[in-house]
Amino acid sequence: EIVLTQSPGTLSLSPGERATLSCRASQSVSSSYLAWYQQKPGQAPRLLIYGASSRATGIPDRFSGSGSGTDFTLTISRLEPEDFAVYYCQQYGSSNTFGQGTKLEIK
Amino acid sequence: QVQLVQSGAEVKKPGASVKVSCKASGYTFTSYGISWVRQAPGQGLEWMGWISAYNGNTNYAQKLQGRVTMTTDTSTSTAYMELRSLRSDDTAVYYCARSAAGTWLDWFDPWGQGTLVTVSS
Repeated sequence: EIVLTQSPGTLSLSPGERATLSCRASQSVSSSYLAWYQQKPGQAPRLLIYGASSRATGIPDRFSGSGSGTDFTLTISRLEPEDFAVYYCQQYGSSNTFGQGTKLEIK
Repeated sequence: QVQLVQSGAEVKKPGASVKVSCKASGYTFTSYGISWVRQAPGQGLEWMGWISAYNGNTNYAQKLQGRVTMTTDTSTSTAYMELRSLRSDDTAVYYCARSAAGTWLDWFDPWGQGTLVTVSS
């Protein structure tokens, strides 16, 4: 099973700043089959990115994904107040596994 | 719009079974699959398994093999997840999510609103 490790566990930033979230896989993720989700308290996760770098429908262009192999990154270029949430990565190249999440909190 | 609406919260005793429903609308149900993901209180996401609404094929997470069954009713565009022999560590919010019809290897979009299942004596 591919284990995904997200870092940092918690990221404290201010609105307007740039956020960089990391997702590292224990082995190579085939064909960049990696997705990112945003989850706010009491809500279901929402798909942001699939295929490592493709934005889902309706997702603002301040969200971008990059990476391949074992190292992937989600970047939020300029944080808006509504972006503070927990973010999960998921690999779907070999079964389906999720990272443990990164909490993005207001500084 | 594409929407998945799940059944309401459940409270079950250890050893019992629970069946959660997920009604789809806004798309052709049989052109996709449904995956189930659970989230224990304060914890991360755990994939439970997948069913193709096209042909009924399933794939379950190894740790749940033998305790979980996923089905669909194409006449009502509804997917079901039944979990048996419930334990306290099955307490979680259970989500359904749309995924590919032909493989369980896919991203999930959209998600249902979640169903809280509490297992307690």
